[in-house]
Amino acid sequence: SQQGEEDPQALSIQEGENATMNCSYKTSINNLQWYRQNSGRGLVHLILIRSNEREKHSGRLRVTLDTSKKSSSLLITASRAADTASYFCATPGGGGGNKLTFGTGTQLKVEL
Amino acid sequence: GAGVSQSPSNKVTEKGKDVELRCDPISGHTALYWYRQRLGQGLEFLIYFQGNSAPDKSGLPSDRFSAERTGESVSTLTIQRTQQEDSAVYLCASSPRTVTEAFFGQGTRLTVV
Repeated sequence: SQQGEEDPQALSIQEGENATMNCSYKTSINNLQWYRQNSGRGLVHLILIRSNEREKHSGRLRVTLDTSKKSSSLLITASRAADTASYFCATPGGGGGNKLTFGTGTQLKVEL
Repeated sequence: GAGVSQSPSNKVTEKGKDVELRCDPISGHTALYWYRQRLGQGLEFLIYFQGNSAPDKSGLPSDRFSAERTGESVSTLTIQRTQQEDSAVYLCASSPRTVTEAFFGQGTRLTVV
């Protein structure tokens, strides 16, 4: 079963606009991670936010975490065509144990 | 150093045959994961190895699936009597310890015909 659910499933924006993706999860976590996947192959880690953090920045990425609502958001500012990819949230401990469990993903398309 | 390496990158097999997929994790990484991703879908957890602990096999979909890991090195995922529904990309990832970022290989695309 999926620990995280991303919303929206798909998002299409124009280059230069901001993209926001949301993730909801079910169990208690000690961190939440966001990954990017191009062309259905290997995922690349983007950012990790710990449960005692509320917001974190990395370049054009901004992640927020609300543990009371069991939700996180990923904001990509000033998007570029190269940001076109699928984005997944992941949490350790989904379903018990320490395994890393992924959400369903958001497909982002950035058009020129 | 080298990243996570998976082989083969592509595999076409006939229904009913057995296949073996290989993953070489980053040296020193104690945690290793296998996932399955069907076309256009999310990552489905299969199995997780952490050091010398018993693996978490809770995601294996049937007894046709098995995986092994030798110490903290290479892992193999074996699918016996493959079915068309097994067609997917199989992704391996490793991490230096639990609950930290995972590093992914490029996956093995399995096609069962």
